[in-house]
Amino acid sequence: KNEVEQSPQNLTAQEGEFITINCSYSVGISALHWLQQHPGGGIVSLFMLSSGKKKHGRLIATINIQEKHSSLHITASHPRDSAVYICAVMGADGLTFGKGTHLIIQP
Amino acid sequence: NAGVTQTPKFRVLKTGQSMTLLCAQDMNHEYMYWYRQDPGMGLRLIHYSVGEGTTAKGEVPDGYNVSRLKKQNFLLGLESAAPSQTSVYFCASSEMQGYTFGSGTRLTVV
Repeated sequence: KNEVEQSPQNLTAQEGEFITINCSYSVGISALHWLQQHPGGGIVSLFMLSSGKKKHGRLIATINIQEKHSSLHITASHPRDSAVYICAVMGADGLTFGKGTHLIIQP
Repeated sequence: NAGVTQTPKFRVLKTGQSMTLLCAQDMNHEYMYWYRQDPGMGLRLIHYSVGEGTTAKGEVPDGYNVSRLKKQNFLLGLESAAPSQTSVYFCASSEMQGYTFGSGTRLTVV
């Protein structure tokens, strides 16, 4: 079973700061997902990537397959970015989820 | 809007009661999943389906049953609820393009 580790577990930052959330996994995968979950809310898929880098608005996701590592970056962070960010990896036995990073952006 | 719809959103059950959670998707996805989310843990797969009429066990299937009689619906049943089944339940569907999740069902078993 793949082990998925996210860091940090909790992050509080000021509005406008550049945010980085990391995800590492133990076994080779076919794809990696970044998900967002607002308090009491549903889960939204932000990115699915298998190599390189993807960008959507202020969000950037990168993956290094050789190092089994991915990062999610948020530029010019805003209070509405406050949420739990979840990394999930797709392996032979389906999706394995990290425990999530709880992000708070203060005005 | 297209997506995954879960009903109900909230439910309180007494120990031993039964209930069914409904998941419906209108994207014609083959794959559907039921997960549970508990504090301090990642989402865990309960059961999944790779197409109409098929189901399979996930990581934590005990105490749950599922059915996929129609492609668009995936039902999760609790025959005799236990306090350990207090959780938030998420349904998801997927195709090559990725996953779509429902908004969750918060279930409390007292």
